Amino acid sequence: EIVMTQSPATLSVSPGERATLSCRASQSITTYLAWFQQKPGQAPRLLIYSASTRATGIPARFSGSGSGTEFTLTISSLQSDDSAVYYCQHYSNWPPWAFGQGTKVEIK
Amino acid sequence: EVQLVQSGAEVKKPGESLKISCKVSGYDFTTHWIGWVRQMSGKGLEWMGIVYVGDGDTRYSPSFQGHVTISADRSINTVYLQWSTLKASDTALYFCARNSYFDYWGQGTLVTVTS
Repeated sequence: EIVMTQSPATLSVSPGERATLSCRASQSITTYLAWFQQKPGQAPRLLIYSASTRATGIPARFSGSGSGTEFTLTISSLQSDDSAVYYCQHYSNWPPWAFGQGTKVEIK
Repeated sequence: EVQLVQSGAEVKKPGESLKISCKVSGYDFTTHWIGWVRQMSGKGLEWMGIVYVGDGDTRYSPSFQGHVTISADRSINTVYLQWSTLKASDTALYFCARNSYFDYWGQGTLVTVTS
C-alpha cells in the first residue's frame, strides 16, 4: 500500500506571496497524482491531475509539478480566497489509492 | 452536465445496517470509476473504496475492507455504500466522487451513529 505524506501541516502566507506545498509518496507513482482544495462545509474540488494538468476552470496561479515520489503544488500569488485545506491523492496502478493528510493554508 | 447527487443525512443506532446512495447523470455511467471518501469531523479525507461500473470491479482500502460494501446498479445510474453493522466510529461525512482522480464530487451524506 502506497502512503502519501504532505508537508507542512500548516502554512501561513501573506496575500500576493507564493505558497509551496509538498507531497511525498512512499514509492514511485510516476505522475498519477491529483491535488484538491477543500473549504469548510464544502466538498473537495479537483485542482490538478496527472501531477501538473490543471482541471477545468482552475486559475493559472495554481500549478503542480513533480514525478516519481516528490510532488509540489504552488500557488503563485496567494489570494484570500485560497484559504483552505489542500490534499494530494495518488491513483497509481490499480486501487486501492490514498490521500495525504492535508496541508492547511492560512492567510497572514 | 455531470452531477453526483447523494442521499440525505441518516441517524442510526450501533448495530443497525445502512445503505446510502450516489445517483449520477450527465455522462456514460459505465465507463468510469465511482469511489467513496470518508471525512470524520474536523479530520482529513480517507479513501475508502471504488467500483468500476462497467464490469463491477470493486476495490477497497485495507482500512475499510470487510466493514463496508460498495455496489452499483447500472439500471438506475446509482452507486451504493453500505454497512451491515454500524459502529459509533462510522459517524462521518461520506462523499462519492467520479473517476480515478475524483474530478466530480457529490454533496456529501452525513451519517450519525448514536445510541
